Amino acid sequence: GAGVSQSPRYKVAKRGQDVALRCDPISGHVSLFWYQQALGQGPEFLTYFQNEAQLDKSGLPSDRFFAERPEGSVSTLKIQRTQQEDSAVYLCASSERTGTFNQPQHFGDGTRLSIL
Amino acid sequence: GDSVTQMEGPVTLSEEAFLTINCTYTATGYPSLFWYVQYPGEGLQLLLKATKADDKGSNKGFEATYRKETTSFHLEKGSVQVSDSAVYFCALNFNKFYFGSGTKLNVKP
Repeated sequence: GAGVSQSPRYKVAKRGQDVALRCDPISGHVSLFWYQQALGQGPEFLTYFQNEAQLDKSGLPSDRFFAERPEGSVSTLKIQRTQQEDSAVYLCASSERTGTFNQPQHFGDGTRLSIL
Repeated sequence: GDSVTQMEGPVTLSEEAFLTINCTYTATGYPSLFWYVQYPGEGLQLLLKATKADDKGSNKGFEATYRKETTSFHLEKGSVQVSDSAVYFCALNFNKFYFGSGTKLNVKP
């Protein structure tokens, strides 16, 4: 079956531009997560949705980062006024049930964002 | 706070060699532990997991045992293949996922 799909795979933007990254989770998965992965590092948690509700956004690095999942399926991560330090791979993951404990997460291939 | 520490790479082995990648964790509660693998240009794939102390996770010849007394979850494989070349991430999950920084494995023919 289809896995987690992210688009675009690559995004290049100039400093100061706004970008939007899309995530299509596995159909029927309740929980959706966004991570930021810097080069040579592990993923770092950004935010978590249970259906359309954003239950945890403690990992968002600044108020320039905004995520939504209005219908409880597709999610968009938006970064406003991009800075060079925003350059990273942004990973989306979904899991079948509510909550985060004890559940494996299924990851997309990520969007590689480069800010010039 | 919760965290995961992995041995630094890269780890370079010859085909059929024995693999160990060390992972230790710090957690305020009793987390579940995971190993994920990331092939070049791809997202993370779940390799194996263990949900409580003394559990052993296994998959594709890889094994890891949840050791509460040493707060460790070391990844092992008895005989690696070239196709095992990838980056391996240890992770813990209590209220959220925490990942280690990854260990790159290179297996030479």
